[in-house]
Amino acid sequence: GEDVEQSLFLSVREGDSSVINCTYTDSSSTYLYWYKQEPGAGLQLLTYIFSNMDMKQDQRLTVLLNKKDKHLSLRIADTQTGDSAIYFCAEILMDSSYKLIFGSGTRLLVRP
Amino acid sequence: DTEVTQTPKHLVMGMTNKKSLKCEQHMGHRAMYWYKQKAKKPPELMFVYSYEKLSINESVPSRFSPECPNSSLLNLHLHALQPEDSALYLCASSQDGTSGRHRYFGPGTRLTVT
Repeated sequence: GEDVEQSLFLSVREGDSSVINCTYTDSSSTYLYWYKQEPGAGLQLLTYIFSNMDMKQDQRLTVLLNKKDKHLSLRIADTQTGDSAIYFCAEILMDSSYKLIFGSGTRLLVRP
Repeated sequence: DTEVTQTPKHLVMGMTNKKSLKCEQHMGHRAMYWYKQKAKKPPELMFVYSYEKLSINESVPSRFSPECPNSSLLNLHLHALQPEDSALYLCASSQDGTSGRHRYFGPGTRLTVT
């Protein structure tokens, strides 16, 4: 069945880079997503990557996709305290449901 | 504009009450979704509306009743809820329901059932 896995927790110092990792199972997924959720808030679509790409850069965010290993990562450069949040990786199932399958979320704590 | 709005922000209701959650988007999206999120968990899909028709019901109990009055609005009617239904209820929208990509979420309604 479909499964998206992430590590649960990451702690970094302000100004360092953060790398959040994710593995997924549906090799036919067309899009893979990163969402950010701050405490008490909804999910913010941070960035996404199309499955025929290896990398996408958007300001401080870099997404890397390794299709062979079904591995997705999100790198945040110059991490700030405002980046502290839960980050969800998600893939779209390419069956008739087009469901969005989420990982369990990685809690990023940025220490001053 | 990628905004999905939800009202109310917070809702406390007793088990015998009837209440409704509201969601609105003006992005021209034709698919709208309800998700339920418990603390420290990812969102779980409840319902999908595509072109104002219910296309997916994830075996949600009948005490939750969705309604899509038009392409911009989505409601979730609540009746006779249980304390375990307390959660963050998130609405989302996307361009259409067939590809379902680029889902945009609202801020959620924090529901407490007493």
